[in-house]
Formats: sequence, C-alpha cells, structure tokens
Amino acid sequence: NAGVTQTPKFQVLKTGQSMTLQCAQDMNHEYMSWYRQDPGMGLRLIHYSVGAGITDQGEVPNGYNVSRSTTEDFPLRLLSAAPSQTSVYFCASGGLVDTEAFFGQGTRLTVV
Amino acid sequence: DAKTTQPPSMDCAEGRAANLPCNHSTISGNEYVYWYRQIHSQGPQYIIHGLKNNETNEMASLIITEDRKSSTLILPHATLRDTAVYYCIVRASNSGNTPLVFGKGTRLSVIA
Repeated sequence: NAGVTQTPKFQVLKTGQSMTLQCAQDMNHEYMSWYRQDPGMGLRLIHYSVGAGITDQGEVPNGYNVSRSTTEDFPLRLLSAAPSQTSVYFCASGGLVDTEAFFGQGTRLTVV
Repeated sequence: DAKTTQPPSMDCAEGRAANLPCNHSTISGNEYVYWYRQIHSQGPQYIIHGLKNNETNEMASLIITEDRKSSTLILPHATLRDTAVYYCIVRASNSGNTPLVFGKGTRLSVIA
C-alpha cells in the first residue's frame, strides 16, 4: 500500500536547469495537488488537478508546469530552475471536499 | 486573505489534554473546518474535519462553537510524538474544485 510516492527525495540543480518532480498515487483519487514549503513557512499551493486532462493554477504557479495524462501520475516540471525555487515540494492526493488528503514525504530541492 | 487565525505556538505537558484554538469568524455556512498536522518536515497528516457538529475520531476531537466562528482541536492525552505544527483550514463544501489552502498554523510543543 504505497499511497503517494514522490521521487526523487533530494535534488540539487544548477540555475537554469530543468527537471521533473514525480508524483504517483495508487488510491484512484481524481484530485491531486502540488505544494511548496519554504523554511519556517506554511505550505503554498502551486498547481492542482481535479482529474486526467484538467489542471489549474494555485497561489504560486510561476516557473512551474504540470500535466495530468493519467489518474495515477501528476508530475511537476521546473522549466528553468532559480535559487528562489529552493524549497521542499509536497504532492498530495485526494482531499476533495469532505475527504482527507494524503501527502507524500516530500522532495527537497536546492538550486545553486 | 487568511480565513483562519491560530496562535503561533503553544506548549502542553505530556499526558495532559492539548487544546488548540482556531478563529474563523468569517466562515460561511457551507464551509468545513479541517485540521492537519505536520511533524518535523514530513508531509502533512489529516486529523479531523467537521461542518457543524462536534466530531471525534481515534486521534482527536473537534469542538465547533454554535455560531461556527471558532473551533478547538483537542488531543486528549498529548504525547511527545504529538509535537508538530497544526493547521486549521476552512474550505467550501459545495465546490469540488476548492483546494486546501494552508496558513502558518500553531506549533505545539509537548513537554515531558
């Protein structure tokens, strides 16, 4: 029973590089979302999806792209990494109204 | 705009009840109150949620005032493992697309 799996757990990027953070869930949830958390701060919503083929922007979408080609996967792409994107990224599955959300263990990204 | 107000930090003696307050004076009739917690940079964990009535599960109790403008999360017998940041979130119940938006939460320290 994997739940929500995020890969990689740690990543160091150079400024300007691109990469994809992976998120997979095995609970058949329609709703998935991505958050970032900076040191000492709460979580901020980047993008979310209510089902395959449907995505929408959250509070801080600039610099990130998402797609949802399957129910199981919701990758987050950094187009051109910047030091301001150094953060911990959390993927969540489920959590539509009156249900709980399940979070992955996070990806710790450092951009140098 | 923040929909909830929580104290930034609280202490609680181990074995005693931890009572975490949340003010949501602008809550609408169709908005749920959710509680999540985050233990030391892990992914957030769902605790409980409610609309009007008090709720109890194996983790905690949620007491919502009659006017619904505030609520209290109660951990009946706090342990050291309950040390975490606790987030109170309000969210509409009539829109499946409404994401979870986190504030800064309350940092609960359980002291031996």
